[in-house]
Amino acid sequence: EDKVVQSPLSLVVHEGDTVTLNCSYEVTNFRSLLWYKQEKKAPTFLFMLTSSGIEKKSGRLSSILDKKELFSILNITATQTGDSAIYLCAPRAGTYKYIFGTGTRLKVLA
Amino acid sequence: KAGVTQTPRYLIKTRGQQVTLSCSPISGHRSVSWYQQTPGQGLQFLFEYFSETQRNKGNFPGRFSGRQFSNSRSEMNVSTLELGDSALYLCASSWGLAGGSYNEQFFGPGTRLTVL
Repeated sequence: EDKVVQSPLSLVVHEGDTVTLNCSYEVTNFRSLLWYKQEKKAPTFLFMLTSSGIEKKSGRLSSILDKKELFSILNITATQTGDSAIYLCAPRAGTYKYIFGTGTRLKVLA
Repeated sequence: KAGVTQTPRYLIKTRGQQVTLSCSPISGHRSVSWYQQTPGQGLQFLFEYFSETQRNKGNFPGRFSGRQFSNSRSEMNVSTLELGDSALYLCASSWGLAGGSYNEQFFGPGTRLTVL
């Protein structure tokens, strides 16, 4: 059975801190992994990772995939209150089917 | 470019009733996926349609069904509603083609269903 585990479940930090969010997975026919940010609305796309070891960056956010050890991490540096959200990872299992983790709830305090 | 739209945004039903939710994908996108989101279970995959055909299905009972029309709009139907069906139902659209950014999914705002 396909499985995605995200850790920690929740996290409270202060502005300026750096956080690392983890996603481990076991899915059949793995193809790629997506990261999403969800505030009080629909998830918004952050990254798509398909190859091991290649870091994707977007401003203060970066992510990397390890296809051998079956995990991905999402790093956020110099956190801001606007980073407060639920972060979801979703590996793609086979053809066009994404399995979502329950997410990490991040709260950044001013 | 208009985003993914879902209607209605909020819905209250009673047990035993049925409900139909609608999703209009981004123009040009041919794949529509449906998800159920609850606090305890997170986002769970219901099914995915491409060019009017169901390509993938999650582990939900047969009370949950869907369809897609020739214009790529999709509907999801839940019959004989149960209290546990209360959730946020999200749809996501993508090009649905193999490889690269064609798989990026864009989510709609969701329909919040409450079953009393």
